[in-house]
Amino acid sequence: DVKVTQSSRYLVKRTGEKVFLECVQDMDHENMFWYRQDPGLGLRLIYFSYDVKMKEKGDIPEGYSVSREKKERFSLILESASTNQTSMYLCASSLRRAAGAEAFFGQGTRLTVV
Amino acid sequence: GDSVTQMEGPVTLSEEAFLTINCTYTATGYPSLFWYVQYPGEGLQLLLKATKADDKGSNKGFEATYRKETTSFHLEKGSVQVSDSAVYFCARYGGSQGNLIFGKGTKLSVKP
Repeated sequence: DVKVTQSSRYLVKRTGEKVFLECVQDMDHENMFWYRQDPGLGLRLIYFSYDVKMKEKGDIPEGYSVSREKKERFSLILESASTNQTSMYLCASSLRRAAGAEAFFGQGTRLTVV
Repeated sequence: GDSVTQMEGPVTLSEEAFLTINCTYTATGYPSLFWYVQYPGEGLQLLLKATKADDKGSNKGFEATYRKETTSFHLEKGSVQVSDSAVYFCARYGGSQGNLIFGKGTKLSVKP
């Protein structure tokens, strides 16, 4: 089974802190994604990566950055956390840029910024 | 732009009732379509998918048929159970970016 593992289920951080969310997948997938999930807004794509050291902005990249130094790991960074970044963050991976390639999700990290 | 629209919830049903959750999409061409389910406190799991027009995806009693004429991919189940209570997301393949584009989700509650 494909496994996508996010480092934390719950996080509480203070405004202005630098926050790292880590995601690891074990199936050698090329694509990795970070989404945030908010009530009434569904899932919105923050950043994605289709190869090591490659990254592309999604729909809402402001206030975030990412790092992909190894194929299996994709990190989301909140440079200076703000209360409007309180959300559920979901990491996903998929095999390649192929039509029909389903995405596999981690269990999510619920981040609260106080 | 490309999008996915699904019926807003919440939807509340009694056990053994029939379920339909509507989903329509906009796209050029015929992208792969998906239904994901999110149980309380968990991430998303793939429920079913269809990769071309007229395909029917099915899993755990749920079905959805890829209708290109109506650009729809409605989710159906003949007899829901309490354990089906979850949030359901319709999604389409995003194309050049390789990501999925999601609807806003429909929360289903099934009462005994």
